[in-house]
Formats: sequence, C-alpha cells, structure tokens
Amino acid sequence: NAGVTQTPKFRVLKTGQSMTLLCAQDMNHEYMYWYRQDPGMGLRLIHYSVGEGTTAKGEVPDGYNVSRLKKQNFLLGLESAAPSQTSVYFCASSPRQGNEQFFGPGTRLTVL
Amino acid sequence: QQQVKQSPQSLIVQKGGISIINCAYENTAFDYFPWYQQFPGKGPALLIAIRPDVSEKKEGRFTISFNKSAKQFSLHIMDSQPGDSATYFCAASNQAGTALIFGKGTTLSVSS
Repeated sequence: NAGVTQTPKFRVLKTGQSMTLLCAQDMNHEYMYWYRQDPGMGLRLIHYSVGEGTTAKGEVPDGYNVSRLKKQNFLLGLESAAPSQTSVYFCASSPRQGNEQFFGPGTRLTVL
Repeated sequence: QQQVKQSPQSLIVQKGGISIINCAYENTAFDYFPWYQQFPGKGPALLIAIRPDVSEKKEGRFTISFNKSAKQFSLHIMDSQPGDSATYFCAASNQAGTALIFGKGTTLSVSS
C-alpha cells in the first residue's frame, strides 16, 4: 500500500496563476482533509470531506476550492494564487472521525 | 473558537534526559487526544493517542498523561535520543467535530 500520496512535491507559481494539488489514498478511507503548515502556526485545516461527493470548509478556506469526485482522490485548487498562499500543503485521510489521520508527504508551494 | 495551546515552542534536551511537552484545551467535548511526530521534509505521523477514560497511556519510551479536570495533557519522552529530534504536535477532536485541532508544535532537539 502506498498510503497517502500527493502530487506535485514542489511547485512555484506566479501571482494570479492557478493550479490543482492532487491527493490520493489507497486505504479506502471515508474522510480526507487538506491542511496548510506555516512556521509557528501548526497545521490549519483548509477543507475536508466526509465521503465521496461531499466537501466542507475548515478553518482557513478562503482562496481554495476542493472536489471529491472519487472516494480515493481529494483535489485542492487555487484559482488565483497569492503570495499569502506560500506554504506546505498536507493531505490526510482517516477511516472515520475521531481516529488516526494518515498524512501524505506534503507539497511545498511558493507563490511569487 | 476551539483551541489547543501547546508549550514550549522549542526544547533542547540532553541524550538520556526526559522531554516534556504540554498542551491545554478548552472544549470539554473533545474525546480524542493524539500526538503527532514530524521529521523535516516529511508529513506528520501518529505517535501515541489517548481517550479521556484513562489518565495515562504508555508506549515504549513515550507516555501521555491526561488531566481531565485541568483540561491538560502532556507528552513525556523518557531516555530521549538524538533520533527523537523532530517537531511534535498535540491535537484534539471529538466524534461530532469536523477534524483535528492542532497545537502550534514543539521543536525538540536532543543533543548527544
């Protein structure tokens, strides 16, 4: 099992450009999450999904959109990137609420 | 606003010493308290977790102490080793909640 995988690993964008981050899990987990990690800020939840076809906002959803068309995939989109979105993005999945979350290796995004 | 407050922000311990990281929470509905370990360039990984029906949980050199009345929990690393040098995050959630609420992290450095 690969667990949780994320693509790409690194990306540099110019302000105003768009991109999609892909998260895939092969553990048949219902729940999936997108976090961003910034120095001294811990992990902050952007959006999450409790099952295929569902999405919900987390703590810092502005400027991001998500989709969960297939159970194993959770996409994070930036429609018009801003320097404030420079961060490391982590995807995670869990079998159900209140249980261990399994994290991917992260995507380091720089917006110039 | 649900919060988990973590301290200290950084910690330096000598090899063989005891590392102690503390967290405090506000929401009495929280019922799951995990600790995650993160090495540079990697995603967080679950280290140990506790539920409020017990006051202590031990796994090898790692122990969680939980004080429900004080709304505090802590991670103790006995016989700290250089390989334990990492960032540690406490977190909390409940079955009816959205996702894990993370502390801001503690960077542990174990000197040899």
